[in-house]
Amino acid sequence: KAGVTQTPRYLIKTRGQQVTLSCSPISGHRSVSWYQQTPGQGLQFLFEYFSETQRNKGNFPGRFSGRQFSNSRSEMNVSTLELGDSALYLCASSFQGQGNEQYFGPGTRLTVT
Amino acid sequence: KNEVEQSPQNLTAQEGEFITINCSYSVGISALHWLQQHPGGGIVSLFMLSSGKKKHGRLIATINIQEKHSSLHITASHPRDSAVYICAGRWDTDKLIFGTGTRLQVFP
Repeated sequence: KAGVTQTPRYLIKTRGQQVTLSCSPISGHRSVSWYQQTPGQGLQFLFEYFSETQRNKGNFPGRFSGRQFSNSRSEMNVSTLELGDSALYLCASSFQGQGNEQYFGPGTRLTVT
Repeated sequence: KNEVEQSPQNLTAQEGEFITINCSYSVGISALHWLQQHPGGGIVSLFMLSSGKKKHGRLIATINIQEKHSSLHITASHPRDSAVYICAGRWDTDKLIFGTGTRLQVFP
């Protein structure tokens, strides 16, 4: 079984721009969760999608949004980028949600200049 | 407030040593996860447990619900075990809350 894939792996953007990151879960997994990892704050939960619906959300501003498609692939979008959005963005898939084992993708490293 | 605390922050060991990483959490946890993150960022889920003990190879995870404490043990440590180990708790909000991680370096 192929693992969780994320694209792109690296990205450099300028303040004020917007960015879209993509996550393809393991086949058969219906839940995709997104996380942000920074040196200062560590790993933080962004949101979880299950069967195309946002099921849970962390404490992030509305500039962070996401969606899930019928094939369970998920995208997250960050609008009006700030320097503090520079981070490693990880997605994880699981069969049914955060109560199940999470399988993580390699991450997208976003640098905002 | 749901919280997770890990100790120590940094740990160095000689190859072959027995290693323990600790995680304490606030009351009401549903499950606790142990994760391993290698340089470069990739994260692997090691264990998910809500009671008792689990073992996989040289890794053992235990949880004591009454004491709100979990430990990750590595027996016969090896340089390839060098990584950051992260515990994460899940409560009824169903959101994972992560500890700050323990950076382990095992020297030959």
